Amino acid sequence: AQKVTQAQTEISVVEKEDVTLDCVYETRDTTYYLFWYKQPPSGELVFLIRRNSFDEQNEISGRYSWNFQKSTSSFNFTITASQVVDSAVYFCALSGAGGIQGAQKLVFGQGTRLTINP
Amino acid sequence: DSGVTQTPKHLITATGQRVTLRCSPRSGDLSVYWYQQSLDQGLQFLIHYYNGEERAKGNILERFSAQQFPDLHSELNLSSLELGDSALYFCASSVGRGDTEAFFGQGTRLTVV
Repeated sequence: AQKVTQAQTEISVVEKEDVTLDCVYETRDTTYYLFWYKQPPSGELVFLIRRNSFDEQNEISGRYSWNFQKSTSSFNFTITASQVVDSAVYFCALSGAGGIQGAQKLVFGQGTRLTINP
Repeated sequence: DSGVTQTPKHLITATGQRVTLRCSPRSGDLSVYWYQQSLDQGLQFLIHYYNGEERAKGNILERFSAQQFPDLHSELNLSSLELGDSALYFCASSVGRGDTEAFFGQGTRLTVV
């Protein structure tokens, strides 16, 4: 069975601090996909990144960066120089390899509520 | 804007009632997924449709049903509603290939009173 664990339920930091959100996953699949979604107070789920299991290169997008390590089954997310607008709940998710019928279901972690204080 | 449209955004109804949630996928997307987000269960997969056919079921109650129509929009029907059905219901769509991500609508917040 697939499982995603986000051990940090809540994190609170002061603006401009760097913060890392942890994500550990379990799967028996050799091909799988990892995701991060952001859920701001307005409630929608905003896609941030998708990473497949064969690509362990770290990725950076502006102040966001992701560290994927298969050896430790982790896919951590770092926000550099955090801003108040980064306050949201962040979800890590996992899916198996899909097919022509579309991606498989997403298995979500419980989410980490991030609060950035001015 | 993800391109996935869900209506209504908010719904308040009484126990025992039946409601229908509607989802219009992104243009060209063949797959539609329904998820439920509740305080105690978190985000859980309910059901997946591809081009009108049911492809996978998750933790969906028997009181709930869904369908995808020829124009690819989908409806989630919730009946005999209970207080515990209060949740945020998300629809997501994807192109129809396994290597693509799903984009989520803004959700329908259902409150059962």
